[in-house]
Amino acid sequence: EPEVTQTPSHQVTQMGQEVILRCVPISNHLYFYWYRQILGQKVEFLVSFYNNEISEKSEIFDDQFSVERPDGSNFTLKIRSTKLEDSAMYFCASSDSGYGYTFGSGTRLTVV
Amino acid sequence: DQQVKQNSPSLSVQEGRISILNCDYTNSMFDYFLWYKKYPAEGPTFLISISSIKDKNEDGRFTVFLNKSAKHLSLHIVPSQPGDSAVYFCAASDALETSGSRLTFGEGTQLTVNP
Repeated sequence: EPEVTQTPSHQVTQMGQEVILRCVPISNHLYFYWYRQILGQKVEFLVSFYNNEISEKSEIFDDQFSVERPDGSNFTLKIRSTKLEDSAMYFCASSDSGYGYTFGSGTRLTVV
Repeated sequence: DQQVKQNSPSLSVQEGRISILNCDYTNSMFDYFLWYKKYPAEGPTFLISISSIKDKNEDGRFTVFLNKSAKHLSLHIVPSQPGDSAVYFCAASDALETSGSRLTFGEGTQLTVNP
């Protein structure tokens, strides 16, 4: 069964450092997403990406965040200057028409 | 943001019995609802969904019921199995079909099925 692949599975970074989380969506999917889950809290939407541009973003997705699809297969989330409160599980997801919403296993980001 | 709410943080049932997980929503624009299962250290896995034009959708042991007037949906698992033990998330969207828009999640319910 097709999978959404995320790397690394765990990333530890110093506060103020830049971090890039990587995702390989399912190959024929058209919509790409990032979500996050802070420990003990809900899964929260960050951003959706379609046709090489952001289609929707949440209040969380401020100027410190950016997304990119640098080639035909990767989809990345960059946090420019990490804060302690950015520590969370970050989930990438992709979908075809919108219904086939598939999540990756997540990257646990720990900011110290 | 309390648009999707799962009021029960945990549920424990005996193997073979029915598990009923509940979810309430407040946004009347939601027109598509999904249930996801999540194991520790894994991403949410899609289980079953329902469009707002239906009131029931069934897939094997899983059935989702939607009561639009009450803004309530439930997931029934019967018979429950120990492998069903996981966190179950309810999620909703208001434009999934056309624009692949965001999902709004509930807090999750930890289901434990005892052998």
